[in-house]
Amino acid sequence: AQSVTQLGSHVSVSEGALVLLRCNYSSSVPPYLFWYVQYPNQGLQLLLKYTSAATLVKGINGFEAEFKKSETSFHLTKPSAHMSDAAEYFCAVTSSNDYKLSFGAGTTVTVRA
Amino acid sequence: GAGVSQTPSNKVTEKGKYVELRCDPISGHTALYWYRQSLGQGPEFLIYFQGTGAADDSGLPNDRFFAVRPEGSVSTLKIQRTERGDSAVYLCASSFGGPQETQYFGPGTRLLVL
Repeated sequence: AQSVTQLGSHVSVSEGALVLLRCNYSSSVPPYLFWYVQYPNQGLQLLLKYTSAATLVKGINGFEAEFKKSETSFHLTKPSAHMSDAAEYFCAVTSSNDYKLSFGAGTTVTVRA
Repeated sequence: GAGVSQTPSNKVTEKGKYVELRCDPISGHTALYWYRQSLGQGPEFLIYFQGTGAADDSGLPNDRFFAVRPEGSVSTLKIQRTERGDSAVYLCASSFGGPQETQYFGPGTRLLVL
């Protein structure tokens, strides 16, 4: 069985400040890891994914994440927050023997002007 | 191209009624997934189709829930004898089928059981 834990259900940042969203995973086999964003009243949109290639993954809208096997982490960062980054962010995991996504509880990001 | 579409966008029903939720996946995607998202939580897996067959239905909460994909494209999630606890957003996703493939999500159907 696989699972992810997102630390912090709410994160508030100032516009222009660093955004850091934490995700730790649990998996008995090599994982595939995903970050999705959900804007109000919209569906989930993929930000980026790790599928066992480069450990530093770059995604859309200036986001990136680093896979650290020793720490079982896949934290999401963006150097400079924009007002449009206000949304809910979900970390999720699959693996070669489990096609379904197991999601974390989500982190809501608010951006202060 | 067209994304995943779901109908209806909203459904209000009474306790004990039967409902059907429809999902149209992206053309060419062989895999189709249903998830359920309750308020303040991440999506939870319900069922996964590869082609016409349910490859994994381990997330269906009980036998009131059933899903079909008869021609390997459109899927219908069916809920019998609805209960207030079934109220949630039901999400559909599709992909090319491997676990590393991106799952593309529809906008969801918001179900409210009164």
